Amino acid sequence: DAGVTQSPTHLIKTRGQHVTLRCSPISGHKSVSWYQQVLGQGPQFIFQYYEKEERGRGNFPDRFSARQFPNYSSELNVNALLLGDSALYLCASSLGLASPKGQFFGPGTRLTVL
Amino acid sequence: QQQVKQSPQSLIVQKGGISIINCAYENTAFDYFPWYQQFPGKGPALLIAIRPDVSEKKEGRFTISFNKSAKQFSLHIMDSQPGDSATYFCAASTKTGANNLFFGTGTRLTVIP
Repeated sequence: DAGVTQSPTHLIKTRGQHVTLRCSPISGHKSVSWYQQVLGQGPQFIFQYYEKEERGRGNFPDRFSARQFPNYSSELNVNALLLGDSALYLCASSLGLASPKGQFFGPGTRLTVL
Repeated sequence: QQQVKQSPQSLIVQKGGISIINCAYENTAFDYFPWYQQFPGKGPALLIAIRPDVSEKKEGRFTISFNKSAKQFSLHIMDSQPGDSATYFCAASTKTGANNLFFGTGTRLTVIP
């Protein structure tokens, strides 16, 4: 079975630009969460989407937005990129809103902002 | 403010030895405590998790010890192997399996052959 997939793998942008990251969850999983992992740190929660609705939001500015599609895939959008947005962006999927078996992470998208 | 504090930052262990990583938390609403393993270039992978109603959980060479009164939990890796060399993260959430995980800062484990 395919795991969580994310695209692109790597991305280089300049300050002020916007970026769209994509995530496909494990088949059958209805919840997708996004995390930001700065080099040398643990992942930080950005959003959770379940059944196409936002169910949780971390402490990130409004420049960050996301959505989930009817097939449960998801996009993370970041506007007006700052140097500090450079990080590994991780997508995680789970069966439901609160799944006892936990979340499964994708390999991430490495975003570099110059 | 770091909701979950993890130590040590790095750890070097001889093959066959025991690796111990510690975490502490303040939020008594946390009730789900997973550990993740991350290899370079990969996303974190769930290793083992515990709920606060038990003091210990063992899966193979990996054991979580949980001290509810001290608000601390730790990961023990028995018979550490070079293939265990990775970064380990503890995490916590306020609802079992909930997706808003608060992660520690990570421990880079190196197991020397």
